[in-house]
Amino acid sequence: AQSVTQPDIHITVSEGASLELRCNYSYGATPYLFWYVQSPGQGLQLLLKYFSGDTLVQGIKGFEAEFKRSQSSFNLRKPSVHWSDAAEYFCAVGGTGGGNKLTFGTGTQLKVEL
Amino acid sequence: EAGVVQSPRYKIIEKKQPVAFWCNPISGHNTLYWYRQNLGQGPELLIRYENEEAVDDSQLPKDRFSAERLKGVDSTLKIQPAELGDSAVYLCASSLAGGLGYNEQFFGPGTRLTVL
Repeated sequence: AQSVTQPDIHITVSEGASLELRCNYSYGATPYLFWYVQSPGQGLQLLLKYFSGDTLVQGIKGFEAEFKRSQSSFNLRKPSVHWSDAAEYFCAVGGTGGGNKLTFGTGTQLKVEL
Repeated sequence: EAGVVQSPRYKIIEKKQPVAFWCNPISGHNTLYWYRQNLGQGPELLIRYENEEAVDDSQLPKDRFSAERLKGVDSTLKIQPAELGDSAVYLCASSLAGGLGYNEQFFGPGTRLTVL
């Protein structure tokens, strides 16, 4: 069975500081990995995805993530956080088996201090 | 191009009442998903449609939940009767179907249900 663990429920960073959100996954084959962001009252917006190839992927809004197979991790990073980045972030794992099924983590709530 | 449309955005009902949510997927997307997101949790799949066929409804509580996708476009998710524990955000997503790779899912804004 596929699963995702996001160990940090809440993270607070100062504006301009760097950010890293952790994500560990369990999947039986090569996973497809995603990071989504959800602002209050909004749906999920895809930040970036990893399917294959270069293990460092670039996304929107200046975010990047690195796939590390040996650690079963897909951590999200941003070098300098903006106040508008405050939101909830979800890591998800999926695959072509089971019809595009996505399994989400429980999310990390990011607070940005000015 | 319009995204996934959901209505209503918010719904407050008393327990034991029925409620329905509507979803219009992105044009050309044959696959449609309904997710439930409880407070403080990630979304969990309730049901997946390929055109008008429900191909994965293993997580749908069938005693009170039902869904339909007549004509393979719009979809309706219904709860009857609603219980306090049904309070959640109900998300609809759509994607292309078929092919060899993974088809990205696009999410609507969701319907926030509060059961009193």
